[in-house]
Amino acid sequence: DTAVSQTPKYLVTQMGNDKSIKCEQNLGHDTMYWYKQDSKKFLKIMFSYNNKELIINETVPNRFSPKSPDKAHLNLHINSLELGDSAVYFCASSGTRSSTGELFFGEGSRLTVL
Amino acid sequence: AQKITQTQPGMFVQEKEAVTLDCTYDTSDQSYGLFWYKQPSSGEMIFLIYQGSYDEQNATEGRYSLNFQKARKSANLVISASQLGDSAMYFCAMREGLYSGYSTLTFGKGTMLLVSP
Repeated sequence: DTAVSQTPKYLVTQMGNDKSIKCEQNLGHDTMYWYKQDSKKFLKIMFSYNNKELIINETVPNRFSPKSPDKAHLNLHINSLELGDSAVYFCASSGTRSSTGELFFGEGSRLTVL
Repeated sequence: AQKITQTQPGMFVQEKEAVTLDCTYDTSDQSYGLFWYKQPSSGEMIFLIYQGSYDEQNATEGRYSLNFQKARKSANLVISASQLGDSAMYFCAMREGLYSGYSTLTFGKGTMLLVSP
């Protein structure tokens, strides 16, 4: 069983389209995250949710809208896609009861905007 | 200012040798955690090792050890007896304010390690 799963793994789309990436975790964690990894492999936090509540919202264009229907799911919707949105998007989760607070990552979703 | 600095964009090591990947950090918090992750060419992020700011002993996990020098604000990863499968990108990361609410991991830019036969 995959602990943190994202779908789709690959997404190729045209500029201007709207797309969504879904994430689910079965670890019982209460905090979930979206990270963006750019072409230079730099990982940057985008959003963090705790028990369905948005707690961290970094400087991200408002074309990006996260949604957490329950604490096991965190989806990312992107409107009006731009070339610069091409990246790998990682979902992750962590548990507040963990002594280390390590993040468990999904496999990533590679988005290519043409 | 960067919170996590990895000064080595790439490192080469021969199989069976040890290698040290450098990481320095910047924080004014007293409670923080330091992490290393491995990202092989397949793309997944694999957690390797953790060091808490109050831990007096250096963390070890199998062939991985973390050389924690608090006064120097460094948290170098040491991989002993390198294997071909260790070839990957390695990221150092920090979580600040461990006991003061929610926080995220801030990552360095990574070091690409290549292990040769």
